[in-house]
Amino acid sequence: GQQVMQIPQYQHVQEGEDFTTYCNSSTTLSNIQWYKQRPGGHPVFLIQLVKSGEVKKQKRLTFQFGEAKKNSSLHITATQTTDVGTYFCAGQGAAGNKLTFGGGTRVLVKP
Amino acid sequence: NAGVTQTPKFQVLKTGQSMTLQCAQDMNHEYMSWYRQDPGMGLRLIHYSVGAGITDQGEVPNGYNVSRSTTEDFPLRLLSAAPSQTSVYFCASRRLGYNEQFFGPGTRLTVL
Repeated sequence: GQQVMQIPQYQHVQEGEDFTTYCNSSTTLSNIQWYKQRPGGHPVFLIQLVKSGEVKKQKRLTFQFGEAKKNSSLHITATQTTDVGTYFCAGQGAAGNKLTFGGGTRVLVKP
Repeated sequence: NAGVTQTPKFQVLKTGQSMTLQCAQDMNHEYMSWYRQDPGMGLRLIHYSVGAGITDQGEVPNGYNVSRSTTEDFPLRLLSAAPSQTSVYFCASRRLGYNEQFFGPGTRLTVL
């Protein structure tokens, strides 16, 4: 079945620095979504990418969907303590209904 | 709107006990799903439903049953709890044709 891998599993970042988390699918995706989960909280939808090569920005967050629609990345610039949490990518295959989540990247910010 | 609600927030069971995790949404979403979250493994789909009377299995359905008698409610039943079912359970819903999922606050289940 479809598998979605995310690296790194943990990311320790100095406040003010940039970092990137990567997501790779074993199969071609129809779309990919990103979620953020604060410690003790529930996943919250951030964005969806649908088109090959698509790039979307949300303030300091930049999301990219690969040309082959099998990988994606999330880049955060000038990390702040509010960025603490786990970021999940989730891929949806051509069949439509099921969403497969990656293992997540847990981000810790050092002030 | 309350969004997606889940009860209970915490539950401790003994091996072999049964229980039902409740999930409700007031957004008239057709699609509802249950996930379990274990450390380092992301969220894994247990069961999902695309509308009242329709359910299907996800990635890890064994040991769990679901039913969908109304659009609003999607309970998850553990038939005979096992320690391997210790996890955090999230219910989620979305409108068909839209991919943004809305998650409930979760139920933290411990099976002794």
